[in-house]
Formats: sequence, C-alpha cells, structure tokens
Amino acid sequence: DAKTTQPTSMDCAEGRAANLPCNHSTISGNEYVYWYRQIHSQGPQYIIHGLKNNETNEMASLIITEDRKSSTLILPHATLRDTAVYYCIVRVYGTGANSKLTFGKGITLSVRP
Amino acid sequence: SQTIHQWPATLVQPVGSPLSLECTVEGTSNPNLYWYRQAAGRGLQLLFYSVGIGQISSEVPQNLSASRPQDRQFILSSKKLLLSDSGFYLCAWTGDRGTQYFGPGTRLTVL
Repeated sequence: DAKTTQPTSMDCAEGRAANLPCNHSTISGNEYVYWYRQIHSQGPQYIIHGLKNNETNEMASLIITEDRKSSTLILPHATLRDTAVYYCIVRVYGTGANSKLTFGKGITLSVRP
Repeated sequence: SQTIHQWPATLVQPVGSPLSLECTVEGTSNPNLYWYRQAAGRGLQLLFYSVGIGQISSEVPQNLSASRPQDRQFILSSKKLLLSDSGFYLCAWTGDRGTQYFGPGTRLTVL
C-alpha cells in the first residue's frame, strides 16, 4: 500500500471549516483514499473514501487532486466533538488481505471554542 | 444495520494469566474479521484476520492467537500474558463493499 504524509496537528475554530491535507504521491491506479478518525479511547470511525472523483457524505467531503497525489478532507462546520486524530490511508479496494488498513500517525485536529 | 460488539470493555490482568477477548458482529453474514492492537501513543497494528470459520491469518508472530468458531464471532486469546501485551484491542469487520468498520475496543492492562 502507498504511504501517506500528513501534518502532525492543526486546529480550527468551532463552526468553521476544517481542511485536513494528505499527500500520497506514490498512490497506484487501483488504490483508494480512505479517511478514518479516532476520538480518544474509542475505535476508529470510518468517514469517507474515494478513487478519483470528489466525494461527499453526511460527515465530510473528500477532494482528490486530478493527479491523485494528494487529497483534502473537509469538515464543513467543525464542532468540539470533531476533535480527534484523523488518518488518511490508501489501499486497494477489496476484502481479505487487501482489506488490511495500515494506519500512520495521523493528524490531530483540535477544535477550539 | 450492522453492529459490532466487543467485550470486555476494560480488563486488568496479571502477567502470566490467560486472556480471552470476544468480538461479535450482527446484521451481516460471512464478514471478514480483523484484530488490531494499539499500544499507548502508537498506531494500529494488524494482528489477525479471518475470511471464514476456522480460517485465521496471522500478520505478526507474537504471544497471541485467534479463533473463529462461528461465522460472526472472533476470539483473541493468550495462554500467558506479557507486560508488552498491554494495549487497546480493536476488532473490525469488512462487508461486501470493502469498507472496514471498527468495534468499541477493549483496553487491556497487564500488570
């Protein structure tokens, strides 16, 4: 699986958009970009994933650059409950061994009041 | 909808004692199941995965073992715990669409 690079931490004000960047310059054509987050002392929570088109769901939006070498997770209106470690992961879509998720250190997002 | 359960939520065990952690999934059939461990301040490490009953693949050789006695049940065990086995143990499942979902975790402290 391709490696990803994320800043160590960032913060944003409550109610504002949080834009979390991720670099994955060695991503392969069949690898998807996944985002998870982990709130303290809880299991990781799936947020969103995409291949090359931008994606949006009830939690967030995922913007993938045209060359697919980087992406941005957007939380449109951050709340205090969004404070967590956010993981950007690239992997082949599938099940079994291909479903293994390789977590890096992620980015710690702190939402301030 | 699918739900994943883990128990116990927390556990404190002495060194050398046995371990049994259980994970069950509801609302799906024939899921792929995974055990991860997260040591304090570190990332998640895949320990075992299973694609079906009795089928276990180990990712990292260690003091632990896994079993899948039923379709939606995954068990993590140890005969003798080590201090280094302390951590946050997470069970996860993957459905047809390949996205992986995690349980609430078990926090194990070995003293």
